[in-house]
Amino acid sequence: EPEVTQTPSHQVTQMGQEVILRCVPISNHLYFYWYRQILGQKVEFLVSFYNNEISEKSEIFDDQFSVERPDGSNFTLKIRSTKLEDSAMYFCASSDLRAGQPQHFGDGTRLSIL
Amino acid sequence: DQQVKQNSPSLSVQEGRISILNCDYTNSMFDYFLWYKKYPAEGPTFLISISSIKDKNEDGRFTVFLNKSAKHLSLHIVPSQPGDSAVYFCAASGWGQGAQKLVFGQGTRLTINP
Repeated sequence: EPEVTQTPSHQVTQMGQEVILRCVPISNHLYFYWYRQILGQKVEFLVSFYNNEISEKSEIFDDQFSVERPDGSNFTLKIRSTKLEDSAMYFCASSDLRAGQPQHFGDGTRLSIL
Repeated sequence: DQQVKQNSPSLSVQEGRISILNCDYTNSMFDYFLWYKKYPAEGPTFLISISSIKDKNEDGRFTVFLNKSAKHLSLHIVPSQPGDSAVYFCAASGWGQGAQKLVFGQGTRLTINP
């Protein structure tokens, strides 16, 4: 069964450094998403992306965050200058065009900011 | 922001019995509801969904019930198996084409006892 893959599984970064989290969505999916889960809290929506544009973003997704689909298969989340509070699990998800189709999630990247 | 709430952080059920997980929502704009299952160190795995035009959807051992007037949904697992032990998330979104952000509940940890 096709799946969403995310790399790396764990990223440790110094505060203030840039980090790029990578995702390969399911190949025939056209909607892409990033979510995050801070330890002990809910899974929170960050951003959705379609047709090379951001469709919607949350308040969390400020100017320090950006997303990109650099080629036909990858979808990336960049955090320009990381803060301690960016430490979380980051999940990528994708879904296809049809209404009422579920989002499928990757296994996440654990981001630890020191 | 408590648009989707799962009031039981944990639930323990005997193997072979029925597990019932509950979820409440406040936003009348939600039209699509999903249940995800999550094991440690993995991403959420889609289980079953229901749109607001239905009140029940069944898939094998899993049945989701939706009570729109009460803004309440539940997931029934019968019979429960040890492999069902996981954290279960309720999520809600709008319906239709276009990227739809998911709003998650806090999760319920289900433990199936042999």
